[in-house]
Amino acid sequence: QVQLVESGGGVVQPGGSLRLSCAASGFTFSSHVMHWVRQAPGKGLEWVAVIWTDGRNKYYGDSVKGRSTISRDNSKDSVYLQMDSLRAEDTAVYYCARERVAPGPYGSGTYLDYWGQGTLVTVSS
Amino acid sequence: SYELTQPPSVSVSPGQTARITCSGDALPKQYGNWYQQKPGQAPVVVIYKDIERPSGIPERFSGSSSGTTVTLTINEVQAEDEADYYCQSADSSGNNRVFGGGTKLTVL
Repeated sequence: QVQLVESGGGVVQPGGSLRLSCAASGFTFSSHVMHWVRQAPGKGLEWVAVIWTDGRNKYYGDSVKGRSTISRDNSKDSVYLQMDSLRAEDTAVYYCARERVAPGPYGSGTYLDYWGQGTLVTVSS
Repeated sequence: SYELTQPPSVSVSPGQTARITCSGDALPKQYGNWYQQKPGQAPVVVIYKDIERPSGIPERFSGSSSGTTVTLTINEVQAEDEADYYCQSADSSGNNRVFGGGTKLTVL
């Protein structure tokens, strides 16, 4: 069965760095676009970043652009999120999620069909 | 940056119909998806491509689209449907994804 397991969360001081990992299993990882989504305590979901199957194309949400880097290693079935210059407002549960393509006669749509359980990042002094 | 707008809360009695709207300028070009999230759990997709329902999602969940608004409808609401619901789509480029602010569905 499809599994996504995040790791690497923890407590970090403002201005610090952290690298999150997401290990995938149960599917052909290299065939799927992957995302990171975060959720601050008591707040809504916020899209963080996406990486295409070959790793060449990456896009970021405004809140993390310039401070975060998404990457993947298809040989290890893993996706990563390097976060630098961390701020208190980056405190959140970080989820990795798999994208699924839904083709159709009027064009393809995409959605996030599997999510990990998340890893908590706390930015605090 | 691109935004999707949802009502913060919707309340219905058991057996009634709940409708949650999501508005965004790019929705005529981009499909909308809906996710259900219960406390302490990861989100689960309940509607994708505006109107499609994944296998395993009850038939009482449906979606529709009109212009700049997509709508999630839950017929004959049950207590177990109480959750936060998020719409999700992409900006006009299709590259950047976005979530709505979320709607808390309360079953009275």
